[in-house]
Amino acid sequence: ETGVTQSPTHLIKTRGQQVTLRCSSQSGHNTVSWYQQALGQGPQFIFQYYREEENGRGNFPPRFSGLQFPNYSSELNVNALELDDSALYLCASSWGAVSYTFGSGTRLTVV
Amino acid sequence: GQQLNQSPQSMFIQEGEDVSMNCTSSSIFNTWLWYKQDPGEGPVLLIALYKAGELTSNGRLTAQFGITRKDSFLNISASIPSDVGIYFCAGQIDGSQGNLIFGKGTKLSVKP
Repeated sequence: ETGVTQSPTHLIKTRGQQVTLRCSSQSGHNTVSWYQQALGQGPQFIFQYYREEENGRGNFPPRFSGLQFPNYSSELNVNALELDDSALYLCASSWGAVSYTFGSGTRLTVV
Repeated sequence: GQQLNQSPQSMFIQEGEDVSMNCTSSSIFNTWLWYKQDPGEGPVLLIALYKAGELTSNGRLTAQFGITRKDSFLNISASIPSDVGIYFCAGQIDGSQGNLIFGKGTKLSVKP
């Protein structure tokens, strides 16, 4: 059974650019959630995808968007990057709303 | 919005000691989860609690879902060096569609 894998592990972007982060969910999981974790803080919920549709969203602006594919993998897209977007972005997969398994995250630095 | 207050923020204890940390909320949750996060890694689920009053153990770890549904605690018995890390509580309201609300974490450091 494979776990949740995220790519890339690290990247550096310039303010105003766009970024795409990727996540492969754990085998058997049909739901993917994305979280932003600032340094020294707990993760904050961005949104969740189920059956390729967004079915829950946290307090993040529309420039944070996502996709889920038929194989349940997912992408997080962030447009018009701001310095405050620098954080660890975590993907979590689950079967419905139970037992979320997190990936190791993508460390995004915006300069 | 909903917030979780997790305490203490950090602990520095001797190996072999017992550890206790807790989370409180102004909102009622139907699920409480406890995670551990090591540097450079994502959170790993330690214990999940689904019923008020539930007491669940996982090896040296024991967690309880408070009877008011607004709090939870985690105990670690006989701590060892590999217990070092950051522990997070997370709460979820049924039907909240994936929205886990996390505390700010308890950083545990253990002297060998």
